[in-house]
Amino acid sequence: GENVEQHPSTLSVQEGDSAVIKCTYSDSASNYFPWYKQELGKRPQLIIDIRSNVGEKKDQRIAVTLNKTAKHFSLHITETQPEDSAVYFCAASMGAAGNKLTFGGGTRVLVKP
Amino acid sequence: GAVVSQHPSWVICKSGTSVKIECRSLDFQATTMFWYRQFPKQSLMLMATSNEGSKATYEQGVEKDKFLINHASLTLSTLTVTSAHPEDSSFYICSATRGSTDTQYFGPGTRLTVL
Repeated sequence: GENVEQHPSTLSVQEGDSAVIKCTYSDSASNYFPWYKQELGKRPQLIIDIRSNVGEKKDQRIAVTLNKTAKHFSLHITETQPEDSAVYFCAASMGAAGNKLTFGGGTRVLVKP
Repeated sequence: GAVVSQHPSWVICKSGTSVKIECRSLDFQATTMFWYRQFPKQSLMLMATSNEGSKATYEQGVEKDKFLINHASLTLSTLTVTSAHPEDSSFYICSATRGSTDTQYFGPGTRLTVL
């Protein structure tokens, strides 16, 4: 089955700096890659996603890049703010968004004021 | 739109008892619902995929006789943890989707503590 590795496990940045989280996946059949933000005790919230026919997608301060050849994708957060502090998960899915997701191990991001 | 609820939000039970958790799609019909388990400071691990009117598909290592899943309607799926033990204490989260091309909408989770 699919295996998703996520790095780093923790990330501390100064407010205003950028944060980058990287994920690799094992199954070349995966073609949908969402990113979730989860605050303590809350549900995961979809923040951005990318499909395999696109190399990059941006939404305000958040961007995701995908390299299908290398089987890795990354989340970029620019101009970080304290409210960006949370745990971020990448995931991969085969077929489509509504198919089962395999999650990475998570990255705990702390934005220091 | 696309709101998913779970009930209860938390539950404490004694070892050996059974606990039922409900997952509801409030404003859409969910052809597929997923059940995840999340231990403290860990990732979400898929337990099973549930399609309305059919038997759930369990992930490897998940005991189907211990974690009973029922998806009786397009808006409701239930997870019953039978003969719960302390090691079953976890955060259980469901998600629902309108179809394979739709995104997954997550419920708020249920925190289960087994004493």
